Amino acid sequence: DAKTTQPPSMDCAEGRAANLPCNHSTISGNEYVYWYRQIHSQGPQYIIHGLKNNETNEMASLIITEDRKSSTLILPHATLRDTAVYYCIVRVAWDAGNMLTFGGGTRLMVKP
Amino acid sequence: DAGVIQSPRHEVTEMGQEVTLRCKPISGHDYLFWYRQTMMRGLELLIYFNNNVPIDDSGMPEDRFSAKMPNASFSTLKIQPSEPRDSAVYFCASSFERDEKLFFGSGTQLSVL
Repeated sequence: DAKTTQPPSMDCAEGRAANLPCNHSTISGNEYVYWYRQIHSQGPQYIIHGLKNNETNEMASLIITEDRKSSTLILPHATLRDTAVYYCIVRVAWDAGNMLTFGGGTRLMVKP
Repeated sequence: DAGVIQSPRHEVTEMGQEVTLRCKPISGHDYLFWYRQTMMRGLELLIYFNNNVPIDDSGMPEDRFSAKMPNASFSTLKIQPSEPRDSAVYFCASSFERDEKLFFGSGTQLSVL
């Protein structure tokens, strides 16, 4: 699976959009971009995933560049409860196992 | 659905003792994963099962660790004998084959003194 690079930490004001970047310059054509987050003392939580088109769900939007070498997770109106570590992961969708390899992630702090 | 259920939530034991962590996956899910999380190493995949069969245990640190899945609704991760360096949060996760999402439990905080 391709390696990802994320900033170690970011701050965001409550109510504003949080834009979390991820670089994955070695991504292969059949690899998807996944985002999970981990709130303190909880297990990781799935947020969203995509291949090349932008995706949106009730939690967030995922913007993938045309060359697919980077992506941005957008939380449109961040709340204090969005404070968490956000993991960007790239992997082949459905290979022999649904394994995920978690890197260091971005620690997002939402401030009042 | 109650989600993935792990027990105990916290476990404190002494070095050399046997430790058993338990997991109940979401009903209908056919994949089950055990992860370990530490400050130093982050989240690491230890082992995963498909339809109760262990598929890849290459992440299991050593022979002191063993995992079983006797049926579709229960799995255990056992450490015998335990050592202080095993102290970590252990997560269980499950997924349905054609679903790309993993659902994680709340974890077991293990402290080996």
